Parts: sequence; C-alpha cells; structure tokens
Amino acid sequence: QKEVEQNSGPLSVPEGAIASLNCTYSDRVSQSFFWYRQYSGKSPELIMSIYSNGDKEDGRFTAQLNKASQYVSLLIRDSQPSDSATYLCAVSRFGNEKLTFGTGTRLTIIP
Amino acid sequence: DTAVSQTPKYLVTQMGNDKSIKCEQNLGHDTMYWYKQDSKKFLKIMFSYNNKELIINETVPNRFSPKSPDKAHLNLHINSLELGDSAVYFCASSRTSGEQFFGPGTRLTVL
Repeated sequence: QKEVEQNSGPLSVPEGAIASLNCTYSDRVSQSFFWYRQYSGKSPELIMSIYSNGDKEDGRFTAQLNKASQYVSLLIRDSQPSDSATYLCAVSRFGNEKLTFGTGTRLTIIP
Repeated sequence: DTAVSQTPKYLVTQMGNDKSIKCEQNLGHDTMYWYKQDSKKFLKIMFSYNNKELIINETVPNRFSPKSPDKAHLNLHINSLELGDSAVYFCASSRTSGEQFFGPGTRLTVL
C-alpha cells in the first residue's frame, strides 16, 4: 500500500464547475496535510495546509480533513482554465520535517 | 524578492562526472530540504538540514552528499553521476515543522 494515494487522473472538469481532488494516507499518526499545485515544468506551489478535522476555506479552495477515515480532499470552486495543473497531496507527522507526497492528480479545466 | 533560489537551472553532463547544485533561501527559515522528482513526476525527499544539522537522510546512494554552510544555504554534491540520476532536484525551506516552500528546481540530465 502506498503511503499517500491519489488518483492520477486526468480529471477533466468544465470551466465554472467544482473540481474535487482526493487523497488517502496510511500513516495514522500523520498530523499535517498539504496541497501543492504544480504546473508543467515548474516547482510545487503550496496552496493549502490543514491540521484539524473539518473544512478550511481560502478563496476558491476548500481543504477537507477526516483523520478517522485517513482522508483529505481539495475542492476548487468556479474552476478556471488557469487551475489546470497537477495537484500533489503531502502528509507529515507531528514534529517530523519529512513530507511524503502522493503521485499527484492531473486536473484539466475545459473552457 | 524573498524566495528559495537554486543554481543552475539546467545541468547536462556525462556519466561519471561530479557536479554540484546550490540552494539559497532568504525567508529566514531554519530548515532546508532536497527533493528528487523522477520522470514519473514522483517527488521524494532526500535530505533535510535544520540549522546546519542533518536531520533527515533517506535511503540515498553515498554518491550524494549534502552540505549546509549556514542555515540559509544548502548544497548538493553528486559524485560519479549515473544515468538514473537524471531528474529534477528541488530545494525547499521551512520554519521548523512548518509549511515548505520550493525553489524553481534544477533539471539534471546525465548522458
């Protein structure tokens, strides 16, 4: 079982719709959860971090965490073509600097 | 600009050569990292330094040697380069146990 699992996609979503990206993790002592966006040929860019169960909203982005189900998701509302990228889920233990990444989900927003 | 910077951006070299990649951050962070992103885009940690002290050393060949002269700089030296070392190498930095921010990457091609 991979430590952090994501559907590789591609996930195609019409412009203006909600894009839903999912991630599951295997390490029960994971405490910190991150979503990074990576455009082709560019570096990962942090877009959301979440540490507690529930929802965290930032603009068009909402991260959702359920530690009991070992599940974290990212919702992108009003999807724009500029949201087309690979989204990486990353997880770390409390007090441990190591980030473990999923393989990423490639998202395409269709105009 | 406050950022994580890396040099060089591209590195093309022959098998068996030795090369170095440099990283600098002016964000005031005390932890720096090296990640490797392979051809399948999987991002995996290699090393981490906190205040010049090595705190993460994943299973990486001894040919890879990181050095941190101070907490704003982290270099990566690679001896006897092999074809399989071809990848994009990202430097990142964070406050202790904080969100990690990535540099632009160094694309290494070994011929």
